[in-house]
Amino acid sequence: NAGVTQTPKFQVLKTGQSMTLQCAQDMNHEYMSWYRQDPGMGLRLIHYSVGAGITDQGEVPNGYNVSRSTTEDFPLRLLSAAPSQTSVYFCASSYSVRAGRLHNSPLHFGNGTRLTVT
Amino acid sequence: QQQVKQSPQSLIVQKGGIPIINCAYENTAFDYFPWYQQFPGKGPALLIAIRPDVSEKKEGRFTISFNKSAKQFSLHIMDSQPGDSATYFCAASKETSGSRLTFGEGTQLTVNP
Repeated sequence: NAGVTQTPKFQVLKTGQSMTLQCAQDMNHEYMSWYRQDPGMGLRLIHYSVGAGITDQGEVPNGYNVSRSTTEDFPLRLLSAAPSQTSVYFCASSYSVRAGRLHNSPLHFGNGTRLTVT
Repeated sequence: QQQVKQSPQSLIVQKGGIPIINCAYENTAFDYFPWYQQFPGKGPALLIAIRPDVSEKKEGRFTISFNKSAKQFSLHIMDSQPGDSATYFCAASKETSGSRLTFGEGTQLTVNP
Protein backbone atom coordinates (compact mmCIF):
# COMPACT_ATOMS: atom_id res chain seq x y z
CA ASN A 1 0.00 0.00 0.00
CA ALA A 2 2.03 2.97 -1.29
CA GLY A 3 -0.56 5.70 -0.58
CA VAL A 4 -0.16 8.74 -2.84
CA THR A 5 2.82 8.60 -5.19
CA GLN A 6 4.09 11.66 -7.03
CA THR A 7 6.70 11.76 -9.78
CA PRO A 8 9.12 13.31 -10.44
CA LYS A 9 10.48 14.56 -7.10
CA PHE A 10 12.40 17.42 -8.73
CA GLN A 11 12.12 19.14 -12.10
CA VAL A 12 13.73 22.14 -13.77
CA LEU A 13 12.01 23.66 -16.79
CA LYS A 14 12.75 26.56 -19.07
CA THR A 15 10.08 29.18 -19.65
CA GLY A 16 7.63 27.98 -22.27
CA GLN A 17 8.29 24.26 -21.85
CA SER A 18 5.48 21.88 -21.01
CA MET A 19 5.41 18.94 -18.65
CA THR A 20 3.13 16.62 -16.72
CA LEU A 21 3.33 15.97 -13.00
CA GLN A 22 2.14 12.48 -12.20
CA CYS A 23 0.01 11.45 -9.23
CA ALA A 24 -1.28 7.99 -8.41
CA GLN A 25 -3.09 6.59 -5.37
CA ASP A 26 -3.83 2.99 -4.46
CA MET A 27 -6.46 3.61 -1.77
CA ASN A 28 -9.50 3.70 -4.10
CA HIS A 29 -10.16 7.29 -3.07
CA GLU A 30 -12.89 9.17 -4.91
CA TYR A 31 -11.47 12.61 -4.35
CA MET A 32 -8.11 13.82 -5.69
CA SER A 33 -6.63 17.28 -5.77
CA TRP A 34 -3.55 19.33 -6.57
CA TYR A 35 -2.14 22.05 -4.31
CA ARG A 36 0.82 24.32 -4.70
CA GLN A 37 2.86 25.42 -1.68
CA ASP A 38 4.63 28.76 -1.68
CA PRO A 39 6.38 30.45 1.28
CA GLY A 40 3.99 32.56 3.31
CA MET A 41 0.99 31.53 1.21
CA GLY A 42 0.18 28.12 2.58
CA LEU A 43 -1.35 25.49 0.33
CA ARG A 44 -3.54 26.73 -2.50
CA LEU A 45 -5.90 24.49 -4.42
CA ILE A 46 -5.23 24.28 -8.17
CA HIS A 47 -7.69 21.66 -9.47
CA TYR A 48 -9.67 18.84 -7.96
CA SER A 49 -11.68 15.81 -9.01
CA VAL A 50 -14.63 14.15 -7.32
CA GLY A 51 -14.36 10.97 -9.40
CA ALA A 52 -13.23 9.55 -12.74
CA GLY A 53 -14.25 11.80 -15.60
CA ILE A 54 -15.04 14.78 -13.35
CA THR A 55 -12.70 17.71 -12.70
CA ASP A 56 -13.13 21.27 -11.50
CA GLN A 57 -11.09 24.39 -10.85
CA GLY A 58 -9.75 25.42 -7.48
CA GLU A 59 -8.39 28.72 -6.27
CA VAL A 60 -5.43 29.10 -8.69
CA PRO A 61 -6.18 27.09 -11.88
CA ASN A 62 -4.66 29.36 -14.55
CA GLY A 63 -1.80 27.75 -16.49
CA TYR A 64 -2.69 24.21 -15.41
CA ASN A 65 -4.80 21.41 -16.89
CA VAL A 66 -5.96 18.15 -15.35
CA SER A 67 -7.80 15.02 -16.38
CA ARG A 68 -9.15 12.01 -14.47
CA SER A 69 -9.53 9.00 -16.73
CA THR A 70 -9.15 6.46 -13.90
CA THR A 71 -9.82 6.45 -10.16
CA GLU A 72 -6.12 5.95 -9.46
CA ASP A 73 -4.44 8.67 -11.56
CA PHE A 74 -4.72 12.45 -11.60
CA PRO A 75 -1.97 14.10 -13.70
CA LEU A 76 -1.32 17.85 -13.67
CA ARG A 77 -0.19 19.45 -16.92
CA LEU A 78 1.70 22.69 -17.33
CA LEU A 79 1.12 23.77 -20.92
CA SER A 80 3.68 26.62 -21.10
CA ALA A 81 5.73 26.97 -17.93
CA ALA A 82 6.30 30.41 -16.41
CA PRO A 83 8.65 31.46 -13.58
CA SER A 84 5.55 32.21 -11.45
CA GLN A 85 4.86 28.46 -11.47
CA THR A 86 8.06 27.76 -9.53
CA SER A 87 6.67 26.01 -6.47
CA VAL A 88 6.27 22.75 -4.62
CA TYR A 89 3.28 20.80 -5.90
CA PHE A 90 1.33 18.34 -3.77
CA CYS A 91 -1.26 15.82 -4.82
CA ALA A 92 -3.78 14.76 -2.18
CA SER A 93 -6.66 12.28 -2.05
CA SER A 94 -9.45 11.31 0.31
CA TYR A 95 -12.29 8.83 0.58
CA SER A 96 -15.35 10.88 0.13
CA VAL A 97 -16.34 14.02 -1.59
CA ARG A 98 -20.08 14.12 -1.62
CA ALA A 99 -21.53 16.90 0.45
CA GLY A 100 -22.88 15.76 3.76
CA ARG A 101 -21.20 12.36 3.58
CA LEU A 102 -17.98 12.10 5.54
CA HIS A 103 -16.80 15.38 4.07
CA ASN A 104 -14.20 15.57 6.80
CA SER A 105 -12.32 12.41 5.86
CA PRO A 106 -8.60 13.23 6.01
CA LEU A 107 -6.58 14.27 2.99
CA HIS A 108 -3.64 11.99 2.23
CA PHE A 109 -0.76 13.88 0.61
CA GLY A 110 2.09 12.71 -1.57
CA ASN A 111 5.64 13.89 -0.87
CA GLY A 112 5.56 16.61 -3.47
CA THR A 113 7.28 17.69 -6.67
CA ARG A 114 9.67 20.63 -6.44
CA LEU A 115 9.46 22.53 -9.73
CA THR A 116 11.78 25.34 -10.81
CA VAL A 117 11.06 27.36 -13.95
CA THR A 118 13.95 29.46 -15.24
CA GLN B 1 -8.65 36.78 -0.28
CA GLN B 2 -7.31 34.56 2.47
CA GLN B 3 -10.30 32.95 4.15
CA VAL B 4 -8.16 31.36 6.87
CA LYS B 5 -5.46 33.52 8.43
CA GLN B 6 -2.74 31.90 10.52
CA SER B 7 -0.19 33.36 12.92
CA PRO B 8 2.63 33.51 13.73
CA GLN B 9 4.58 32.73 10.57
CA SER B 10 7.40 31.23 12.62
CA LEU B 11 7.85 30.25 16.24
CA ILE B 12 10.85 29.15 18.29
CA VAL B 13 10.45 27.56 21.73
CA GLN B 14 12.60 25.61 24.13
CA LYS B 15 11.99 21.94 24.83
CA GLY B 16 9.11 21.59 27.29
CA GLY B 17 7.54 24.89 26.25
CA ILE B 18 3.95 25.27 25.01
CA PRO B 19 3.84 26.75 21.52
CA ILE B 20 0.48 28.19 20.48
CA ILE B 21 -0.53 28.71 16.86
CA ASN B 22 -3.61 30.76 16.08
CA CYS B 23 -6.03 30.78 13.17
CA ALA B 24 -8.99 32.98 12.29
CA TYR B 25 -11.61 32.33 9.67
CA GLU B 26 -14.19 34.46 7.90
CA ASN B 27 -16.74 32.06 6.46
CA THR B 28 -19.33 31.07 9.06
CA ALA B 29 -20.31 28.10 6.88
CA PHE B 30 -17.03 26.35 7.76
CA ASP B 31 -17.79 23.40 10.01
CA TYR B 32 -14.63 21.31 10.08
CA PHE B 33 -11.24 22.56 11.28
CA PRO B 34 -8.22 20.25 10.91
CA TRP B 35 -4.56 20.84 11.64
CA TYR B 36 -1.89 19.33 9.41
CA GLN B 37 1.77 18.73 10.30
CA GLN B 38 4.50 18.77 7.66
CA PHE B 39 8.10 17.64 8.03
CA PRO B 40 10.79 18.78 5.57
CA GLY B 41 10.63 16.93 2.27
CA LYS B 42 7.28 15.34 3.11
CA GLY B 43 3.65 16.10 2.42
CA PRO B 44 1.35 17.40 5.17
CA ALA B 45 -0.38 14.82 7.35
CA LEU B 46 -3.50 15.18 9.48
CA LEU B 47 -2.63 15.84 13.12
CA ILE B 48 -5.92 16.63 14.85
CA ALA B 49 -9.31 18.08 13.89
CA ILE B 50 -12.34 19.66 15.55
CA ARG B 51 -15.98 20.34 14.78
CA PRO B 52 -17.62 23.57 16.04
CA ASP B 53 -19.95 21.76 18.43
CA VAL B 54 -17.10 21.42 20.97
CA SER B 55 -14.76 24.05 22.39
CA GLU B 56 -11.72 21.85 22.93
CA LYS B 57 -10.24 18.59 21.70
CA LYS B 58 -7.14 16.81 23.00
CA GLU B 59 -5.09 14.07 21.39
CA GLY B 60 -1.97 13.27 23.37
CA ARG B 61 0.10 16.44 23.72
CA PHE B 62 -1.89 18.30 21.06
CA THR B 63 -4.98 20.38 21.90
CA ILE B 64 -7.28 22.42 19.69
CA SER B 65 -9.18 25.27 21.33
CA PHE B 66 -12.16 26.59 19.38
CA ASN B 67 -14.03 29.89 19.83
CA LYS B 68 -17.03 29.93 17.54
CA SER B 69 -18.21 33.45 18.40
CA ALA B 70 -14.75 34.90 17.68
CA LYS B 71 -14.28 32.65 14.62
CA GLN B 72 -10.90 31.60 15.93
CA PHE B 73 -9.18 28.33 16.75
CA SER B 74 -5.73 27.48 18.01
CA LEU B 75 -3.30 24.60 18.39
CA HIS B 76 -1.43 24.08 21.66
CA ILE B 77 1.46 21.63 21.96
CA MET B 78 2.11 20.58 25.55
CA ASP B 79 5.63 19.60 26.65
CA SER B 80 7.01 20.31 23.19
CA GLN B 81 9.88 18.17 21.91
CA PRO B 82 12.54 18.72 19.23
CA GLY B 83 10.72 16.09 17.16
CA ASP B 84 7.73 18.44 17.00
CA SER B 85 9.77 20.83 14.85
CA ALA B 86 7.76 21.06 11.65
CA THR B 87 5.45 23.32 9.68
CA TYR B 88 1.87 23.39 10.92
CA PHE B 89 -1.13 24.32 8.81
CA CYS B 90 -4.62 25.05 10.00
CA ALA B 91 -7.46 24.50 7.56
CA ALA B 92 -11.22 24.70 7.24
CA SER B 93 -13.95 23.22 5.11
CA LYS B 94 -17.71 23.31 4.82
CA GLU B 95 -20.17 20.51 4.22
CA THR B 96 -21.22 21.77 0.78
CA SER B 97 -17.62 21.80 -0.48
CA GLY B 98 -16.99 18.14 0.30
CA SER B 99 -13.27 17.37 0.73
CA ARG B 100 -12.02 20.79 -0.39
CA LEU B 101 -9.90 22.35 2.34
CA THR B 102 -8.89 26.00 2.64
CA PHE B 103 -5.49 26.24 4.33
CA GLY B 104 -3.85 28.93 6.42
CA GLU B 105 -0.42 30.30 5.56
CA GLY B 106 1.49 27.89 7.78
CA THR B 107 3.68 28.24 10.89
CA GLN B 108 7.25 26.97 11.01
CA LEU B 109 7.86 25.68 14.54
CA THR B 110 11.34 25.06 15.92
CA VAL B 111 11.74 23.37 19.29
CA ASN B 112 15.27 23.77 20.62
CA PRO B 113 16.73 21.03 22.84
